[in-house]
Amino acid sequence: GNSVTQMEGPVTLSEEAFLTINCTYTATGYPSLFWYVQYPGEGLQLLLKATKADDKGSNKGFEATYRKETTSFHLEKGSVQVSDSAVYFCALSDLRGAGSYQLTFGKGTKLSVIP
Amino acid sequence: NAGVTQTPKFRVLKTGQSMTLLCAQDMNHEYMYWYRQDPGMGLRLIHYSVGEGTTAKGEVPDGYNVSRLKKQNFLLGLESAAPSQTSVYFCASSYEMGGSTNEKLFFGSGTQLSVL
Repeated sequence: GNSVTQMEGPVTLSEEAFLTINCTYTATGYPSLFWYVQYPGEGLQLLLKATKADDKGSNKGFEATYRKETTSFHLEKGSVQVSDSAVYFCALSDLRGAGSYQLTFGKGTKLSVIP
Repeated sequence: NAGVTQTPKFRVLKTGQSMTLLCAQDMNHEYMYWYRQDPGMGLRLIHYSVGEGTTAKGEVPDGYNVSRLKKQNFLLGLESAAPSQTSVYFCASSYEMGGSTNEKLFFGSGTQLSVL
């Protein structure tokens, strides 16, 4: 079956530091890949996505590149801010058949950014 | 613009009690979902619906029932609560099937449920 593995947190960084959150996946088909973000007290929001190999998703200064050869979709940001403190979820979507998609989430990585 | 609204936000139950969680969306979405979020487990799909009057089982459906009598509402029921059902529950909705190429899920802010 499909699975998503994220680096374990929590991750604590100082403001303006470089961020990398690793994500690797296992899938039988050709999945789409997503990063969702959950701010404190809120539901998840889509941060970025990539739908095929070598695609780069980007949003709010975050980037992730779909690497089929390494089955990875690492999230990066050059300079984090306190407002980026949240839990980040990597997810994949695969077509199960008859137009039905299966969305599989990783366990989440908590990021805390300190001033 | 309310989006996805979940009620209640917090609830404490005793083992064996029943309750219903309500999810309402105002975006005219066809698809609705119930997830549970547990520490170190990520999100797991409980049940979902592809339209009014339909429901389907997800990854962890046991102990839960759902109903989608109106397009905008998706109810999650616990008939006899157990401590293993202590979790944070999220409702989500989408116009097309969640996970499809050009689609994203819209999430509610969650319901924290404790079963003693």
